[in-house]
Amino acid sequence: GENVEQHPSTLSVQEGDSAVIKCTYSDSASNYFPWYKQELGKRPQLIIDIRSNVGEKKDQRIAVTLNKTAKHFSLHITETQPEDSAVYFCASPPSSGSARQLTFGSGTQLTVLP
Amino acid sequence: NAGVTQTPKFQVLKTGQSMTLQCAQDMNHEYMSWYRQDPGMGLRLIHYSVGAGITDQGEVPNGYNVSRSTTEDFPLRLLSAAPSQTSVYFCASTHLPSSVSQTQYFGPGTRLLVL
Repeated sequence: GENVEQHPSTLSVQEGDSAVIKCTYSDSASNYFPWYKQELGKRPQLIIDIRSNVGEKKDQRIAVTLNKTAKHFSLHITETQPEDSAVYFCASPPSSGSARQLTFGSGTQLTVLP
Repeated sequence: NAGVTQTPKFQVLKTGQSMTLQCAQDMNHEYMSWYRQDPGMGLRLIHYSVGAGITDQGEVPNGYNVSRSTTEDFPLRLLSAAPSQTSVYFCASTHLPSSVSQTQYFGPGTRLLVL
């Protein structure tokens, strides 16, 4: 099955700085890479996703980049704000079986310091 | 739309007891799944379903059963609770056809403590 590794496990940044979280995946045929944000005590929610036919996608202050050759994808958050503090999870589905069967990374606790 | 709902929000069980975690969605999603979330381990897939009458195992299925009699409901049953099943359980749903969004919508979670 798919194996997804996420780094770092914790990340602290000053408000206004950028944050980068990286994930590597094992299945070279995987074609969908979402990122979920989970605030304390809340449910995970999708913040951005990318398909394998593009290398980068942006949505305001967040962006995701994909390097298919190296089998890694990264979440970039610019101009961080205190409300960005949360746990972020990357995920990837297997190339076989249900495309909705996501394997999640272990999560990154992002803390934005005021 | 209520989205994905789960009951109960919190439950305490004794070792050996059984219980059912309820999950329902009103978005007509074909795909539903159950995850457990443990500290430092992310979300791990327990069971999933691609439609009524169809279920399959995920990464950590032992000790859990599921059924999918309707499109809306996907209950998770713990047959004989063990302390190792102490966790937060999330139900999720999404559309199945690749031509529509793959966004998975999560329920609010059920926090389970097994003593």
